[in-house]
Amino acid sequence: GENVEQHPSTLSVQEGDSAVIKCTYSDSASNYFPWYKQELGKRPQLIIDIRSNVGEKKDQRIAVTLNKTAKHFSLHITETQPEDSAVYFCAASPSGGSYIPTFGRGTSLIVHP
Amino acid sequence: DTEVTQTPKHLVMGMTNKKSLKCEQHMGHRAMYWYKQKAKKPPELMFVYSYEKLSINESVPSRFSPECPNSSLLNLHLHALQPEDSALYLCASSQKFGNQPQHFGDGTRLSIL
Repeated sequence: GENVEQHPSTLSVQEGDSAVIKCTYSDSASNYFPWYKQELGKRPQLIIDIRSNVGEKKDQRIAVTLNKTAKHFSLHITETQPEDSAVYFCAASPSGGSYIPTFGRGTSLIVHP
Repeated sequence: DTEVTQTPKHLVMGMTNKKSLKCEQHMGHRAMYWYKQKAKKPPELMFVYSYEKLSINESVPSRFSPECPNSSLLNLHLHALQPEDSALYLCASSQKFGNQPQHFGDGTRLSIL
């Protein structure tokens, strides 16, 4: 089955700095890679996703890059703000079969004002 | 606004009780999911319904019984739960089953005494 590794487990930055969270996956059949943000006591919310036919996708301060050859994808947040503080989960879903997403263990991002 | 509505928000029950969790979405999505989430962990998939049919059961104990009365509603019936079942139970939906963005509800925080 799929295995998703996510690093770091905790990331502490100053407001205005950039933050990068990295994930690797094991199943070359995975072709959909969403990122979810979960604030304390709240629901996971999709913030950005990427499919395997695309190498990079941006949405304002957030970007995701995908390297299919190396089987890794990363979340980039620029100009971080305190409201970016949350747990971020990456996930990988296969292109067929069960389509079950496998989540990474999560990264707790803390943005200090 | 939360597009996936879950009730109740909190539930405390004894090990001999029977209760139900409810989930509703009006986005016209045809896939609905139940996840279990422990503190500081990623969501764990329990069940998937696609077009009101159970598509995936991730080897969940029979004390959890899902039901999908129609395309907008998803229930999770609980009976004879154990203390280790205490967790946040999240419902999600997506346009269809497959590699689609999932929309999560706020969850039901369940405590088993």
